[in-house]
Amino acid sequence: EDQVTQSPEALRLQEGESSSLNCSYTVSGLRGLFWYRQDPGKGPEFLFTLYSAGEEKEKERLKATLTKKESFLHITAPKPEDSATYLCAVQARGSAAGNKLTFGGGTRVLVKP
Amino acid sequence: EPEVTQTPSHQVTQMGQEVILRCVPISNHLYFYWYRQILGQKVEFLVSFYNNEISEKSEIFDDQFSVERPDGSNFTLKIRSTKLEDSAMYFCASSGSLSFAFFGQGTRLTVV
Repeated sequence: EDQVTQSPEALRLQEGESSSLNCSYTVSGLRGLFWYRQDPGKGPEFLFTLYSAGEEKEKERLKATLTKKESFLHITAPKPEDSATYLCAVQARGSAAGNKLTFGGGTRVLVKP
Repeated sequence: EPEVTQTPSHQVTQMGQEVILRCVPISNHLYFYWYRQILGQKVEFLVSFYNNEISEKSEIFDDQFSVERPDGSNFTLKIRSTKLEDSAMYFCASSGSLSFAFFGQGTRLTVV
C-alpha cells in the first residue's frame, strides 16, 4: 500500500526565515510525486510534479527536490502570503487508467510578518 | 485560466437522505476524480472515472456511492443514504493525462 508521511505537521516562521518541509514516501513504483498548496476551506492548488530522483523544480520562493525515498519543499525567504498547508502526494506507476493520488497529512505553514 | 467548478459550495442534509454533488471538469480533460477530506484529516481518494466508466475506486466508495457523467460536461457524485460520517469536504478533480490533477474548490457536506 502506498504511504506518504509529511513532517513537521506545523511550522511557524518569521518572514524571511527559510525552511524545508519533508515528504517521505513508499510506493510500488513511482510515476510522479506532487506538491499542492491548500488554503483553508479551499481545494488543493497544484505546485509541482517530480518524476525521478535528482529532479528539482522551482517556482518563486519554492523549490522542490526528489530522492528515491523522500521529497523536500524548500521555502526561501517566505512572506506572509506563503502561509498555507502544503500537501505532498504520490502516484504509482502501472495501475489502472486514471491513477489516484495518495496524499500525506500536510504541513501547516504560518509565516509571521 | 481553466478551472474545475463545484456546486453547491455547502450542503446540509439529514441523515438517510440522498445528495448529489456536482462538478464541471475542465473541458478537454479525460480523467475525472472524487476525493474527500474529513475535517483535520488527509485528502482521501474515492473514485476515478475514464472513458465513461469507473477505472479505480477505494474501499470508502461502497454501494452507497455512485458517479455519473450524464451529459458530457457534468460529473456527479451521488450518496444514496447519507450517514453522519459522510460529513466532509468533497473535491472533484480532472486531468488531461495521467499526471497532475486540477482540483475544484470543494463542496462541504454536513450530515445532521
